[in-house]
Amino acid sequence: DADVTQTPRNRITKTGKRIMLECSQTKGHDRMYWYRQDPGLGLQLIYYSFDVKDINKGEISDGYSVSRQAQAKFSLSLESAIPNQTALYFCATSDSWLPGQFFGPGTRLTVL
Amino acid sequence: EDQVTQSPEALRLQEGESSSLNCSYTVSGLRGLFWYRQDPGKGPEFLFTLYSAGEEKEKERLKATLTKKESFLHITAPKPEDSATYLCAVRNNFNKFYFGSGTKLNVKP
Repeated sequence: DADVTQTPRNRITKTGKRIMLECSQTKGHDRMYWYRQDPGLGLQLIYYSFDVKDINKGEISDGYSVSRQAQAKFSLSLESAIPNQTALYFCATSDSWLPGQFFGPGTRLTVL
Repeated sequence: EDQVTQSPEALRLQEGESSSLNCSYTVSGLRGLFWYRQDPGKGPEFLFTLYSAGEEKEKERLKATLTKKESFLHITAPKPEDSATYLCAVRNNFNKFYFGSGTKLNVKP
């Protein structure tokens, strides 16, 4: 199911570098989310957007920024990557009438 | 503070051995409790949504139930292909989702 795509799928970078993770969806959903997953901690919400003009911080937004370029595109940026941002990042979509969220395949980010 | 706690962290079953996974939650205005399945290297896959205490949903060998404080995912006669991490989440009245850390299920043939 390629309704939610994430690029890149894997990225290794160095401390201090700027990184952008991209998410695109063809499901036509209004709501998009960025999560981070660390072993034993579950999914933590970084940012979410209910439409193109609506951006909201999640639990762990420090060190991250986002851009909602269109209904179908939601990008996550790390302005100056640090090693503790090494994690698996997921994009998800939903709509007000839907029962749950639809997740992308994830981006594995390693910051050295 | 809204939060979700899942137990056990890991569960090992023999094929055919039924069991239950627990999800305890506190939330400011429950607007849905969700169960997801996550396979290694993949994104979570939606299974069920429950909205009110007493509600039950079934899918193949899985049955989810909900009370005012917790939810159970019952697995009846599991097969090796049911091996995965099962995640529980709640949505609050601000439309924010909170996830538990998951239960890693391993079903041995």
